[in-house]
Amino acid sequence: AQSVTQPDIHITVSEGASLELRCNYSYGATPYLFWYVQSPGQGLQLLLKYFSGDTLVQGIKGFEAEFKRSQSSFNLRKPSVHWSDAAEYFCAVGHSGNTGKLIFGQGTTLQVKP
Amino acid sequence: DTGVSQDPRHKITKRGQNVTFRCDPISEHNRLYWYRQTLGQGPEFLTYFQNEAQLEKSRLLSDRFSAERPKGSFSTLEIQRTEQGDSAMYLCASSISTKGSTEAFFGQGTRLTVV
Repeated sequence: AQSVTQPDIHITVSEGASLELRCNYSYGATPYLFWYVQSPGQGLQLLLKYFSGDTLVQGIKGFEAEFKRSQSSFNLRKPSVHWSDAAEYFCAVGHSGNTGKLIFGQGTTLQVKP
Repeated sequence: DTGVSQDPRHKITKRGQNVTFRCDPISEHNRLYWYRQTLGQGPEFLTYFQNEAQLEKSRLLSDRFSAERPKGSFSTLEIQRTEQGDSAMYLCASSISTKGSTEAFFGQGTRLTVV
């Protein structure tokens, strides 16, 4: 069965420091992969997506992610974190059968220290 | 295009009451999804529609839950005889079905509290 694991429940970084959020997936074929961000009490906003092609994808707000098939990973990175990046981040994999259904990880809460 | 809209944003209800939530998707999107998110967890899939047809329902969707999309536009999610365990954020998303996959756009969610 498809699954997504985000090993880090909570991460704290200093403003201006680099960030990497980990995501591992289990999927039998080439996955469709997504990163979403959620601010408290809000819905989910898409940061970036990987469908095929270049394994390094650029997203909004200066985020990028790299698809590594050999490691079944899709880690999210940002070179310099801003205080406004504090939020919850979800990695998701698109379900097989092209229904568009998403399987989400548990999420990683990012705290930014001034 | 105002994005995916959900109403109400918050709902407090007494245990045993029925509640209904509404979702208005992005106008040209033919797929509509409902997810449930509990505190500290990622969203979990409940059901989805393509146009007016409900094509899949999760095992999470007990017989107290029913969803409709009568004209292939807005959708409603009804919970009958609510229980405290139903307290969660209910998220709606929409997308366009094309060859290959596409991203889903989410609404702000409806926060349900059952007291």
